[in-house]
Parts: sequence; C-alpha cells; structure tokens
Amino acid sequence: SQQGEEDPQALSIQEGENATMNCSYKTSINNLQWYRQNSGRGLVHLILIRSNEREKHSGRLRVTLDTSKKSSSLLITASRAADTASYFCATAAGNKLTFGGGTRVLVKP
Amino acid sequence: DAMVIQNPRYQVTQFGKPVTLSCSQTLNHNVMYWYQQKSSQAPKLLFHYYDKDFNNEADTPDNFQSRRPNTSFCFLDIRSPGLGDAAMYLCATSRDYVGAETQYFGPGTRLLVL
Repeated sequence: SQQGEEDPQALSIQEGENATMNCSYKTSINNLQWYRQNSGRGLVHLILIRSNEREKHSGRLRVTLDTSKKSSSLLITASRAADTASYFCATAAGNKLTFGGGTRVLVKP
Repeated sequence: DAMVIQNPRYQVTQFGKPVTLSCSQTLNHNVMYWYQQKSSQAPKLLFHYYDKDFNNEADTPDNFQSRRPNTSFCFLDIRSPGLGDAAMYLCATSRDYVGAETQYFGPGTRLLVL
C-alpha cells in the first residue's frame, strides 16, 4: 500500500509561475525523498530531507518537512517548460522506499 | 559516467512465454531493487538484494523471480507473463539501505505482453 499520498494529482501552470505539491504519509520515517519522472523514463532523484530537518533547498527547489503533521511539500520556483514531469514523494523507513501516487505537472510555455 | 543501465528498453513477449529483464550498475552499490510501475501509478517494490541477500516483498507474485550473480548485475525473471504484467520495470541501486541513502534509477524497461 502507498505510504505517501500526493496532492494535487495534477497541476497545470504557466512558465515562470511557482508550482507547489504536497505529500502526506502515515508512519515514522528516516527521511523523505522527492523524485521526478519524465514521461516513459526512469526516476531522477531531486532532494532528500531527513526526519530531523525542516527545510531544504536545491537550486529552484524548496522542500519542507513537518513530522508532527506527517507532511512534506515541494516548491518549484520560476517553472520552466522542461519541468513538465511527474513528481513523486517517497518515504524511507528501514530498508526501502515507498512511493506516493505522484503529481503530474504541466508547465505551459 | 557511473550509472544504472537497463536492457532492453522495450520488451515484447507472448502470454505465458518466460522473459528476463536485465540491470547493471557501475556504482558498486550494495543494494539493487526492482520496481513495477503501471501507467500513472506509483512504482511498487517487488524485491531487493542487499549484496547477495534476497528480500522479497510479501505481495510479490511467485511468477516474479530475481537473480544477482555478482555486484554489478541483477535480473528479473517473469516465468509466465500475463496480460496484467505489462508495465514499466525499474531497476534502482543504493549504496546502503535508504534509511540514509538516495536511490539511483535506471531508465526502465517497458514490457508489453501480447
């Protein structure tokens, strides 16, 4: 069963706008990771945030983690057409990752 | 460049005909994973190897098996593919268990069952 649930399931924005997606999970975690998947391709790791961290940045990406609410958010600032993809959160507990259902992001030029 | 390689990228098989998908890595990672991903769904872990130790997920059908002959290679064998096994199969590696580590994914093999 999925550990993470993502919201929204789909998001359509104009180039230059920010995109925010959320992930909620149910059990304790070691870390939470975000991945991007372009259509028909493998997953690319974006960012890992540990359970004792609250916020992390990587380029145009900002991730927050609230362990009390068991939730995380991914913000993509100044989106580009190349950011069009599906974004998955994945919770790490023990020896494996469990993926959420993903958010499909469409960035229109 | 160090990477995770999957071959073939596309595989067509017939209903009931055994098929093998392969994965290799140049990262020298201890852990190798196999995921199944159906259209518009989350990747679902089938099993993983930590070195030579095999770990099967409880809900992985017996029809799916795996082999890891050495550190670099891992194979997914589907003994009798059904139409419901058509999916993208993703191989991933991590240096150690993902409690502290990132997973690195290959490009995937898309399996079509006729």
